[in-house]
Amino acid sequence: AQSVAQPEDQVNVAEGNPLTVKCTYSVSGNPYLFWYVQYPNRGLQFLLKYITGDNLVKGSYGFEAEFNKSQTSFHLKKPSALVSDSALYFCAVTLQGYKLSFGAGTTVTVRA
Amino acid sequence: EAGVTQFPSHSVIEKGQTVTLRCDPISGHDNLYWYRRVMGKEIKFLLHFVKESKQDESGMPNNRFLAERTGGTYSTLKVQPAELEDSGVYFCASSQPSGSSNEQFFGPGTRLTVL
Repeated sequence: AQSVAQPEDQVNVAEGNPLTVKCTYSVSGNPYLFWYVQYPNRGLQFLLKYITGDNLVKGSYGFEAEFNKSQTSFHLKKPSALVSDSALYFCAVTLQGYKLSFGAGTTVTVRA
Repeated sequence: EAGVTQFPSHSVIEKGQTVTLRCDPISGHDNLYWYRRVMGKEIKFLLHFVKESKQDESGMPNNRFLAERTGGTYSTLKVQPAELEDSGVYFCASSQPSGSSNEQFFGPGTRLTVL
């Protein structure tokens, strides 16, 4: 079985401050991990993925995520948040091939 | 390049009625997926097509749901008869032919409300 937990329903930060969105996963093998973002009235947009190799993955819009196998985490980070980063963020994992398991989502609000 | 499109964007029906959702994947994407997000909870997998074949339908909730992908192009998801608990946002996604590590491209979703 595979599952994902996003422990925070909401994250609020001031523009220019660092942004972290937490994600932990549970799988019985080597996972593929993804981050997606959903803006209002839009579909999910792919941000970044970890498959193998370097634990630090860089993605779109200045986001990055660090894969930590010992802590089974894949936290999303951005050094300096923008108001336009306000959105709903989903972490996802797949082990069995194609079926993605998602977390419940974290709403990020960046205030000016 | 056009993205994944879904129709309709919203649907409001009464319990017991039938609704058909449509998804047009990105051209050339053999893999097509349906997911559902209910009541602000996590997005859950429904099923996966490879071309016109159902590869995995383990997430389909019950036999009131029927998915098809005739000709391996667009897909439809029919709910008949609809129940209150079917309300939610139905997402379609597609990905390139090879490799499970390929990211899935999502459509904007269809918001289904069953009254």
